[in-house]
Amino acid sequence: SAVISQKPSRDICQRGTSLTIQCQVDSQVTMMFWYRQQPGQSLTLIATANQGSEATYESGFVIDKFPISRPNLTFSTLTVSNMSPEDSSIYLCSATGPNTEAFFGQGTRLTVV
Amino acid sequence: GENVEQHPSTLSVQEGDSAVIKCTYSDSASNYFPWYKQELGKRPQLIIDIRSNVGEKKDQRIAVTLNKTAKHFSLHITETQPEDSAVYFCAARSNAGNMLTFGGGTRLMVKP
Repeated sequence: SAVISQKPSRDICQRGTSLTIQCQVDSQVTMMFWYRQQPGQSLTLIATANQGSEATYESGFVIDKFPISRPNLTFSTLTVSNMSPEDSSIYLCSATGPNTEAFFGQGTRLTVV
Repeated sequence: GENVEQHPSTLSVQEGDSAVIKCTYSDSASNYFPWYKQELGKRPQLIIDIRSNVGEKKDQRIAVTLNKTAKHFSLHITETQPEDSAVYFCAARSNAGNMLTFGGGTRLMVKP
């Protein structure tokens, strides 16, 4: 099974600033995703991180707010831009291979003050 | 897109009793249905999954059933223990996008 390292694990940020979250997988995977989990809530898909091309965003999420990079198969970043308190949440990256289960990073707990 | 509904949202059982959590999905193209357990402050961990060519799968105290016709699947935990207390999420995935769509979660509390 793959191991996903995600950092930072938590951060407290000033409104108006940006935070970049990194996700590194220890083996080859085909798909990488970014989710948001509000406290006590389920996981909501933000976007699919596509290698070498623009991410595919879900309804309600846009590239200007959540730019995503995936320069190779095992690494991806999510930036939360121009943060407001409403962006306070847990952000999780996930990865999966063909016909394999999805694994999750340990999550980034973001607090915007 | 896919829509997954999960019930109940909270479930309290006595240690040793069984717990059942149910999910329905909307997209008939979905063919993979995992269940995740998430303890407080931790990442979701896969506990069992089932593919659409199978009707039931069991792993020790945990079993999952799938009814493709009715588009619903269930998690069964027998002989519950306090360490089973957590939030459980069902999910569905199709080959089209390969992303998981999650249910709303069930907070399971096992009372000793």
